[in-house]
Amino acid sequence: DAGITQSPRHKVTETGTPVTLRCHQTENHRYMYWYRQDPGHGLRLIHYSYGVKDTDKGEVSDGYSVSRSKTEDFLLTLESATSSQTSVYFCAIRGISSENLSGANVLTFGAGSRLTVL
Amino acid sequence: AQTVTQSQPEMSVQEAETVTLSCTYDTSESDYYLFWYKQPPSRQMILVIRQEAYKQQNATENRFSVNFQKAAKSFSLKISDSQLGDAAMYFCAYRSPRRETSGSRLTFGEGTQLTVNP
Repeated sequence: DAGITQSPRHKVTETGTPVTLRCHQTENHRYMYWYRQDPGHGLRLIHYSYGVKDTDKGEVSDGYSVSRSKTEDFLLTLESATSSQTSVYFCAIRGISSENLSGANVLTFGAGSRLTVL
Repeated sequence: AQTVTQSQPEMSVQEAETVTLSCTYDTSESDYYLFWYKQPPSRQMILVIRQEAYKQQNATENRFSVNFQKAAKSFSLKISDSQLGDAAMYFCAYRSPRRETSGSRLTFGEGTQLTVNP
């Protein structure tokens, strides 16, 4: 997965419980992103980071927080999960992609984490 | 804010035939990047092709090509000689060049589900 690992890949939890998703990269890239994917909406940006301890909100940030204490890890936290946060979550880094389509202008995605909130 | 619209939720094509997926976007910027990503059932996001707005020449990657109409804000994807492995969800995405305000984020369309019939 081009140096990006998401964990857990699948999680089922109950409403009101905290959940943390982890994104780990081995490429030392500055920019990291969290997206959620829902039918009919494509991928929507939750939060992104442009460096250690530097983060900003995306278009659907309510109910989510993030932290980046070191370059390689970007954590997404749902403080109190709700059923509306049932989704597939993707982490991305800026750069890499494939041997033919590489460079700083592309985003490379992790494999996704499926979260179900009951 | 930029928006990306894919008006075809579903498309189908016969194997070996050609299919075109539509994408329109709205922006006030003159320079930007456009992308097509493919998401097969494995859920992995795969970059298919990218186009820089300042380039007049349409991008091509093997069987994949784009028709970039800047004035019309249109960015369609043509898949030639369709193969069974092309069956996937396809997402169009926009990226602003302004890193300071956008964080190099991608804005995605809703997606088009492509079926390839044998």
